Amino acid sequence: EVQLVQSGAEVKKPGESLKISCKGSGYSFTSYWIGWVRQMPGKGLEWMGIIYPGDSDTRYSPSFQGQVTISADKSISTAYLQWSSLKASDTAMYYCARSGRVDYFDYWGQGTLVTVSS
Amino acid sequence: DIQMTQSPSSLSASVGDRVTITCRASQGISNSLAWYQQKPGKAPKLLLYAASRLESGVPSRFSGSGSGTDYTLTISSLQPEDFATYYCQQYYSTPLLTFGGGTKVEIK
Repeated sequence: EVQLVQSGAEVKKPGESLKISCKGSGYSFTSYWIGWVRQMPGKGLEWMGIIYPGDSDTRYSPSFQGQVTISADKSISTAYLQWSSLKASDTAMYYCARSGRVDYFDYWGQGTLVTVSS
Repeated sequence: DIQMTQSPSSLSASVGDRVTITCRASQGISNSLAWYQQKPGKAPKLLLYAASRLESGVPSRFSGSGSGTDYTLTISSLQPEDFATYYCQQYYSTPLLTFGGGTKVEIK
């Protein structure tokens, strides 16, 4: 069974750093892309970026380029999304999702809620 | 960037109704379109891809059609479990992916 299991909810202060994770199982982790999607409170879905764990090829949405870093450790089948300096506007639910060819997403993680507040 | 505009943003319908949601792209996307369903507090779920191909396990009351810039998601007979928010997503301009703004389907 394909599963993407994300790390737990985080509460951080503005200016702090954060790295959240997404662990894949039940399939060949290095053969599929893992994308990240933001959903701000009460709002729609926004594609942030995507990584191919097989060779760490990474693409970003222009809206998120330079704001976050996407990485992966294929030895432990885990993808990451990180911030070096959080802002209150980063408060959102973040989903990871699997894609075969940087197209649509067939499996999704359960989401990680990030709350940034002073 | 390809912009995706969904309409309506919300609708009220009754169980058994036929429901149609529209997604319009700012340029032609050659059927490179997926539809997702999201229930409150849950992750999105893939319903269709390539505009009209049903994902495995998705009920056949869901269907998709369209071409060029205009696409539709149809629920032939709305069921209680279908009340949710629906999103379209284009992947024609891969690796730049774009979601529509969503359509909330509520109980009348």
